[in-house]
Amino acid sequence: QQPVQSPQAVILREGEDAVINCSSSKALYSVHWYRQKHGEAPVFLMILLKGGEQKGHEKISASFNEKKQQSSLYLTASQLSYSGTYFCGTEPNRDDKIIFGKGTRLHILP
Amino acid sequence: GAGVSQTPSNKVTEKGKYVELRCDPISGHTALYWYRQSLGQGPEFLIYFQGTGAADDSGLPNDRFFAVRPEGSVSTLKIQRTERGDSAVYLCASSPKVGGDKWETQYFGPGTRLLVL
Repeated sequence: QQPVQSPQAVILREGEDAVINCSSSKALYSVHWYRQKHGEAPVFLMILLKGGEQKGHEKISASFNEKKQQSSLYLTASQLSYSGTYFCGTEPNRDDKIIFGKGTRLHILP
Repeated sequence: GAGVSQTPSNKVTEKGKYVELRCDPISGHTALYWYRQSLGQGPEFLIYFQGTGAADDSGLPNDRFFAVRPEGSVSTLKIQRTERGDSAVYLCASSPKVGGDKWETQYFGPGTRLLVL
């Protein structure tokens, strides 16, 4: 049950905000967020565990709503370096394998 | 310190051939993961090692795929009788985590681009 990410793609101007959503049809233990630039390896952003705690650092944060089986990634005052494809990965139960979504492509214009 | 390295960076082979893909994790990382990523898709989990043993190989698509990590460091993903559908980027990741949540902070390598003709 692959999580569904929305939107599929976003184009923003530098300084604008973005929200990327990740929804699952199953109850979740955790949600993981990664960013991948073209031709490069995915880079870990954060993990959110069951409990609804919002995590983040600087201008990138995320929330996890267990009841809705959703997570959202918030990018505030976007920078050019934020461009890339963002993947969420969901883990139905602890120690399950992670299932990644198809990704959301984010392009920041100067 | 060096990050996760993978060799070769690119591999072109013919259908039916055998290939080996190598992963050198970050020194001291006990957990190692293999993923496969097709164009426009997210990484697909293949196998996870904790030390020398495969703790979870539920993502291996069939018995043509096998991975080893004999000394708890370098890992090799082996694909027998390759098929065109095996073409993808094969990603390796390592993590320092010992016990607890095995999915904490994975560091990915640059990947091996496999093309099966």
